[in-house]
Amino acid sequence: ETGVTQTPRHLVMGMTNKKSLKCEQHLGHNAMYWYKQSAKKPLELMFVYSLEERVENNSVPSRFSPECPNSSHLFLHLHTLQPEDSALYLCASSQDPTGRWQPQHFGDGTRLSIL
Amino acid sequence: KNQVEQSPQSLIILEGKNCTLQCNYTVSPFSNLRWYKQDTGRGPVSLTIMTFSENTKSNGRYTATLDADTKQSSLHITASQLSDSASYICVVRPLSNDYKLSFGAGTTVTVRA
Repeated sequence: ETGVTQTPRHLVMGMTNKKSLKCEQHLGHNAMYWYKQSAKKPLELMFVYSLEERVENNSVPSRFSPECPNSSHLFLHLHTLQPEDSALYLCASSQDPTGRWQPQHFGDGTRLSIL
Repeated sequence: KNQVEQSPQSLIILEGKNCTLQCNYTVSPFSNLRWYKQDTGRGPVSLTIMTFSENTKSNGRYTATLDADTKQSSLHITASQLSDSASYICVVRPLSNDYKLSFGAGTTVTVRA
């Protein structure tokens, strides 16, 4: 149990579908993150939220739309994705995004496949 | 070019043997360097963290070293076990940006009986 729960664990969708990824953290943290992990590549930071305010949007295409309704929940809304968007999407949380000594706690990810 | 390079990309070792993973980075100045372990189908979990002034840090059979002069870190696994089979990721936190960590692509370790 990592304290960060992601659903669904696996998702297959067509390029014209709309779906959402969900992340919930039970650690009382104030910052939440979305990362993309492709095979044999470093994790790519997509979005950062601090106290429900987006503080980082790392040049992510508009077909990815994040939402953070409160400090415990984070969503990633997906629409008209491309095959190259197939990857593992990881959610993470930390006590404070500026806390240099605090680790980010990761969920187990959603494996996304675009047909 | 990625600021954190890891080698080898993958390795296979026999149970009970030792191995060492390498991490070279160009991030400067940096706040700290952390090693994560990522089991198959799971998210990364922090193993060790070192500041620029620390040379070594241990966590059980895992020992990380850091040479800030040469910008190199290593992760040594002693007496490997089957449960050590995972990807090991080196992560450097720059001093200048609190959000953007620099990640290596990871080294995949397979321990065989």
